[in-house]
Amino acid sequence: AQSVTQLDSHVSVSEGTPVLLRCNYSSSYSPSLFWYVQHPNKGLQLLLKYTSAATLVKGINGFEAEFKKSETSFHLTKPSAHMSDAAEYFCVVSTSLPIQGAQKLVFGQGTRLTINP
Amino acid sequence: NAGVTQTPKFQVLKTGQSMTLQCAQDMNHNSMYWYRQDPGMGLRLIYYSASEGTTDKGEVPNGYNVSRLNKREFSLRLESAAPSQTSVYFCASERLVNTGELFFGEGSRLTVL
Repeated sequence: AQSVTQLDSHVSVSEGTPVLLRCNYSSSYSPSLFWYVQHPNKGLQLLLKYTSAATLVKGINGFEAEFKKSETSFHLTKPSAHMSDAAEYFCVVSTSLPIQGAQKLVFGQGTRLTINP
Repeated sequence: NAGVTQTPKFQVLKTGQSMTLQCAQDMNHNSMYWYRQDPGMGLRLIYYSASEGTTDKGEVPNGYNVSRLNKREFSLRLESAAPSQTSVYFCASERLVNTGELFFGEGSRLTVL
């Protein structure tokens, strides 16, 4: 069965410094992987998606993630943090066999990112 | 530009009461989903609907029912609310079939006393 583990429940960085949010996945198949972001009291928004086309995936707001099969990782990075990046981030893996045309996603526990001025 | 709209945003119930969470999307998406979010547990799928007229159970369906009223609307019903159903509920729709690219509503915070 597919699963994801986010290695940090809380990450705190200073504005202007790099961001690294770590995610490991488990999958019997070549997975589709996602990062979603949730700002306070808002719904989730897709940040980026990996589907085997390229191992380095660029997303919105300067975020990117690298798929490393040998390490079963899909870490999220950003070179320079901005105050507006403060949010909860979820690593997500898809099931390999969509049922009835619907995609079933498995969410990690989330990493809360705090940006210090 | 409404996207996915959920109502109500907040609700307090007593144990045993029933209620329905409403969800509507205006993006002409086929697939719709209901998730619940609990601290430290990410999101867990309750029910989904791949297309109008079809629904199926997700990971945690017990205590819930759903109705896909038409292509736009997908409601979640709690027949007899329990304190364990205190949670934040999110409705989502999928842009293209099997992409995993979901659009979420802003959530409905439910407290069961």
